[in-house]
Amino acid sequence: KNEVEQSPQNLTAQEGEFITINCSYSVGISALHWLQQHPGGGIVSLFMLSSGKKKHGRLIATINIQEKHSSLHITASHPRDSAVYICAVRFSSGSARQLTFGSGTQLTVLP
Amino acid sequence: GAVVSQHPSWVICKSGTSVKIECRSLDFQATTMFWYRQFPKQSLMLMATSNEGSKATYEQGVEKDKFLINHASLTLSTLTVTSAHPEDSSFYICSARDRGTQRSYNEQFFGPGTRLTVL
Repeated sequence: KNEVEQSPQNLTAQEGEFITINCSYSVGISALHWLQQHPGGGIVSLFMLSSGKKKHGRLIATINIQEKHSSLHITASHPRDSAVYICAVRFSSGSARQLTFGSGTQLTVLP
Repeated sequence: GAVVSQHPSWVICKSGTSVKIECRSLDFQATTMFWYRQFPKQSLMLMATSNEGSKATYEQGVEKDKFLINHASLTLSTLTVTSAHPEDSSFYICSARDRGTQRSYNEQFFGPGTRLTVL
């Protein structure tokens, strides 16, 4: 079964802390997305990965294909980073046109 | 990065009316667009996949006669909720897949969403 699991479900941090959100998936993938959804609902695509590591500003995303695991890191977190972070994968088998979404991680960064 | 817009961003309508939501890719061509629905505290649920110039493919349990999808061009797809009912109240999100450039092959970009409230 093609599954995506995220952890933790909820995360509260103090401003400035280093944050890690994890995503594991069950079978081979062709691409993995990290998405950010703010309280208003709009979704922003942060990264698309198929291997290695990507960095954009204070955000870093890594993926380990062998371990079927990806992490999203936020350095020097800020209250404006508070949002739901969603991992979504495109599995290599099955319906490759679709993304399968994790349940999301609600991040709250306190000032 | 690539931009996907949706219009309107929110809409309130009476039960029984039809509502059209537009999704546009602003700076790229999207052969494939996806329509999702999201209920509070839940993840996105794929409703249908639309390919430019052909009929949409609906997910199981999604009524194609109720949720009409038209993908008339490489930059525009529309979702029409026909004879809307209060249970159709939800957050509708479109997503567009870049036609394929070296920069962004296979990448999928999301619109800001449309909040529909049916009274």
